[in-house]
Amino acid sequence: DVKVTQSSRYLVKRTGEKVFLECVQDMDHENMFWYRQDPGLGLRLIYFSYDVKMKEKGDIPEGYSVSREKKERFSLILESASTNQTSMYLCASSSHRGLVSPLHFGNGTRLTVT
Amino acid sequence: AQSVTQLDSHVSVSEGTPVLLRCNYSSSYSPSLFWYVQHPNKGLQLLLKYTSAATLVKGINGFEAEFKKSETSFHLTKPSAHMSDAAEYFCVVSVLSGNTGKLIFGQGTTLQVKP
Repeated sequence: DVKVTQSSRYLVKRTGEKVFLECVQDMDHENMFWYRQDPGLGLRLIYFSYDVKMKEKGDIPEGYSVSREKKERFSLILESASTNQTSMYLCASSSHRGLVSPLHFGNGTRLTVT
Repeated sequence: AQSVTQLDSHVSVSEGTPVLLRCNYSSSYSPSLFWYVQHPNKGLQLLLKYTSAATLVKGINGFEAEFKKSETSFHLTKPSAHMSDAAEYFCVVSVLSGNTGKLIFGQGTTLQVKP
């Protein structure tokens, strides 16, 4: 089974801090994604990457950046955390480009910014 | 533009009764469609997917969905609900972004199963 591991289950950070959310997948998947999940809004795509050192903006990239130095690892960075970034963050991976690849998700990181 | 709408934010059924979770999509081409389930404090798990083969798709845990192009719908059903089905369900359409497929999620439907 594909395993997507997010390093932290819960995080509490202060406004203005730099925050790193880490994600690792063990199935050699090309594509990796970061979503945030908020009640009533479903999942919204922040950034995705289809190769090492490649990144593409999703629907809500403002206030975030990403890093993909190795194929298995995709990091989400909040340069200066703000309270409106309090949310559940979900990392996912998929096996190849195209329309039909299902995503495999991690269990999420619940971030609270105070 | 591609989009997906889940028509109910909350559905409540009794254990042993049928489940219907409704989803409509908008796509300028033949879409790929998915249903995902999220149990409390867990990530999302793929239930089933439609990829232009059979219009009736069977998934895990007894769920199935029917693709109806004329109605632009992809409703999720199960003949008999179980307590363990209580979760949040997401209908998803796949779109192309450059050379990469990315997924657009509906707002989610919370399924409550009463004893």
